[in-house]
Amino acid sequence: QSALTQPASVSGSPGQSITISCTGTSSDVGSYNLVSWYQHHPGKAPKLMIYEGSKRPSGVSNRFSGSKSGNTASLTISGLQAEDEADYCCCSFAGGTTWVFGGGTKLTVL
Amino acid sequence: QVRLVQSGAEVKKPGASVKVSCKASGYTFTSNHMHWVRQAPGQGLEWMGIVHADGSGPRYAQKFQGRVSMTRDTSTSTVFMDLSSLGSEDTAMYYCARDGSNMSPYAMDVWGPGTTVSVSS
Repeated sequence: QSALTQPASVSGSPGQSITISCTGTSSDVGSYNLVSWYQHHPGKAPKLMIYEGSKRPSGVSNRFSGSKSGNTASLTISGLQAEDEADYCCCSFAGGTTWVFGGGTKLTVL
Repeated sequence: QVRLVQSGAEVKKPGASVKVSCKASGYTFTSNHMHWVRQAPGQGLEWMGIVHADGSGPRYAQKFQGRVSMTRDTSTSTVFMDLSSLGSEDTAMYYCARDGSNMSPYAMDVWGPGTTVSVSS
């Protein structure tokens, strides 16, 4: 199972919007609307931000949104804030009770 | 509140095995599956496997087949991850993560703090 493909880094200024892509295959992202996104600050445990492609858990800001088109899922963060600076990782159900993560994207808030 | 507490850091020699534990509290242990995920230095997260809520056979990522074993003890609400034939490439932070089940299915909604495993001769 190959890892999902994410850009290594993205950046944006406070108040701007950024989008992080997550490209898989027809066996994972393309087959299931079961992509989740995690925010990961160094030294801390990852935090679930989006599940089932576009749903937000309770307590997650509505500045975070998710979408999917074909084999590519996307995470958009609007109104960037300094505390959004972190690594973001996507994950997809891949069938057969297996999951696959992306390589992670480092978000820098300029 | 829901909490996952993991065992302490481990230092192992190449070829050895390591067993990491993850004790759950604050919810009905048998209602949620539990994932194991690791992150090697400078790398992304990597899914290792899942322990099912109903006690049915665990499922492992193909990469770890044959040298990983994931078990659970319902009497102590603890899951275990046993990794054998360790090599330097297994140096990583190992996380247990609860599957969201009914609330956020197919996603990992609560994570343990991680257990550092270092493999060095």
